[in-house]
Amino acid sequence: SQQGEEDPQALSIQEGENATMNCSYKTSINNLQWYRQNSGRGLVHLILIRSNEREKHSGRLRVTLDTSKKSSSLLITASRAADTASYFCATDRGSGYSTLTFGKGTMLLVSP
Amino acid sequence: NAGVMQNPRHLVRRRGQEARLRCSPMKGHSHVYWYRQLPEEGLKFMVYLQKENIIDESGMPKERFSAEFPKEGPSILRIQQVVRGDSAAYFCASSPAQVLNTGELFFGEGSRLTVL
Repeated sequence: SQQGEEDPQALSIQEGENATMNCSYKTSINNLQWYRQNSGRGLVHLILIRSNEREKHSGRLRVTLDTSKKSSSLLITASRAADTASYFCATDRGSGYSTLTFGKGTMLLVSP
Repeated sequence: NAGVMQNPRHLVRRRGQEARLRCSPMKGHSHVYWYRQLPEEGLKFMVYLQKENIIDESGMPKERFSAEFPKEGPSILRIQQVVRGDSAAYFCASSPAQVLNTGELFFGEGSRLTVL
């Protein structure tokens, strides 16, 4: 199974509402990242949270990390149609050099 | 300030042909990663390279796939004798140092391979 697994798989909301996506992982990590992918495009880094941090903010984004539960959440406040995209969490494996492992993503649709 | 450049963006091959995908990392980046994305799926790690070295190829299929990052020029992902199951989007990412230390990966727009 995935190191990072997001839920829900798909989320449909109206503009102005908040969107919350969750990610669970299995092994210890150094940091957890969230990326965004617009349809047919590459991934764009949104935010990184380190294992010793519990919450981080960037503009309309809020990320939380609970290492005891091995889970993270991404909250997008006051969503806009332009936020429509797939959102992926990515984790490293916590030791040595590391590559990132991505989940399957949450597809967010924000309707005007 | 060019980002990660991948080409071709779209590639069509017939079964049995070879596919070569190229990736030029961001300026100043010496670490390159290749990922594969199947439709409606997340990204699957394939290989991690530094200049002239393969650091981690644990995600590469054992046959037909190879990757290199020469001293000069782009990184190349090569798929020999392509089959329909190789149809996917292949993404290259780069970082200035080990991702463990810097965190963020910078992605290209991907190369979409279609095998007929």
